[in-house]
Amino acid sequence: DVKVTQSSRYLVKRTGEKVFLECVQDMDHENMFWYRQDPGLGLRLIYFSYDVKMKEKGDIPEGYSVSREKKERFSLILESASTNQTSMYLCASSWLAESTDTQYFGPGTRLTVL
Amino acid sequence: QKEVEQNSGPLSVPEGAIASLNCTYSDRGSQSFFWYRQYSGKSPELIMSIYSNGDKEDGRFTAQLNKASQYVSLLIRDSQPSDSATYLCAASGGTYKYIFGTGTRLKVLA
Repeated sequence: DVKVTQSSRYLVKRTGEKVFLECVQDMDHENMFWYRQDPGLGLRLIYFSYDVKMKEKGDIPEGYSVSREKKERFSLILESASTNQTSMYLCASSWLAESTDTQYFGPGTRLTVL
Repeated sequence: QKEVEQNSGPLSVPEGAIASLNCTYSDRGSQSFFWYRQYSGKSPELIMSIYSNGDKEDGRFTAQLNKASQYVSLLIRDSQPSDSATYLCAASGGTYKYIFGTGTRLKVLA
């Protein structure tokens, strides 16, 4: 079974803090993704990575950065957290470099920024 | 702007009935389509993927694709209370990116 894990299920941070969200997959997947999910807005892609050290901006990259130093690990960084970044953050991974391959999701991190 | 549209619901069906969930997409270049189920507070899990016109069946679930009408549907037969969840439709057009709909909330009444 594919397993995607995320470092925290719930996180509370203060405005201006630097926040790290980590995602690890154990299936040697090439592609990894970070989404945020908000009521009424659905899933929105923040960043994705198709190889180690490779990254591409998604639809809403502002205020975020990412790091992929190892194939199995993809980190999302909020350089200076703001209240409008309060959201559910979902990591996903997929194997092939094609859109036909299924994306598998981690359990999610619910981040609250006070 | 590429979009995937779903009725937000809730769609209420009695236990044992057929639930029909619908999705339309705007990008004619979309090639792959996915249905995910998401329980409240949990992450999405894949139910079905479909790539060709027609029907694809897996147990109680049937996905239907009509590329000419840009329409995807998911039928759930013999609906159970445990099927109560939000169902997300996603489309992909040959890149890494999925476009997700906002989901339809299904309530199966016991």
